[in-house]
Amino acid sequence: GQQVMQIPQYQHVQEGEDFTTYCNSSTTLSNIQWYKQRPGGHPVFLIQLVKSGEVKKQKRLTFQFGEAKKNSSLHITATQTTDVGTYFCAIRRETSYDKVIFGPGTSLSVIP
Amino acid sequence: EPEVTQTPSHQVTQMGQEVILRCVPISNHLYFYWYRQILGQKVEFLVSFYNNEISEKSEIFDDQFSVERPDGSNFTLKIRSTKLEDSAMYFCASSELGRELYEQYFGPGTRLTVT
Repeated sequence: GQQVMQIPQYQHVQEGEDFTTYCNSSTTLSNIQWYKQRPGGHPVFLIQLVKSGEVKKQKRLTFQFGEAKKNSSLHITATQTTDVGTYFCAIRRETSYDKVIFGPGTSLSVIP
Repeated sequence: EPEVTQTPSHQVTQMGQEVILRCVPISNHLYFYWYRQILGQKVEFLVSFYNNEISEKSEIFDDQFSVERPDGSNFTLKIRSTKLEDSAMYFCASSELGRELYEQYFGPGTRLTVT
């Protein structure tokens, strides 16, 4: 089956430092979505990437889709305590669009 | 802002009992999903539902599970005979349309504890 990996599993940063999480797939993706889940909360949609090499920005967050559409990254500039949570990538198989596969997530802790 | 709601927030049940988890998706959404998340682990897809039928289901979604949209607003997940390993947070989600083009809105979840 389609494998989705995320690294790192955990990341502890000092407030103000940058943070990056990577999502890697074993097969080519049609699109990728990123979600954030705060401790004790539910996943919240952040962004969707569709095109090869696509880069999207949301304030301090930068999302990138790889040229081969097999990997993606989420970069946070100058982390704040409000960035704490787990960041998941989510993909769909080309033959099963209605089945969403979440990556294992990267848990971010920000030390004030 | 419209939101997905779920009831109850916490359900405790004994092994072997049936449970029904309820969700009210966003009113103009057409695709509905159930996920589960065992504590500290990733979000696992269970089933997607469109046009009053299941469109996809995972290996987890076996004969013990069923979904229903009994009226125009509710979307339910039934577990017929709960097992200890069914203990998890269950999230309902909905999206305006399906495929890869639309974001999913998640409800706050129901924490199911099987004893």
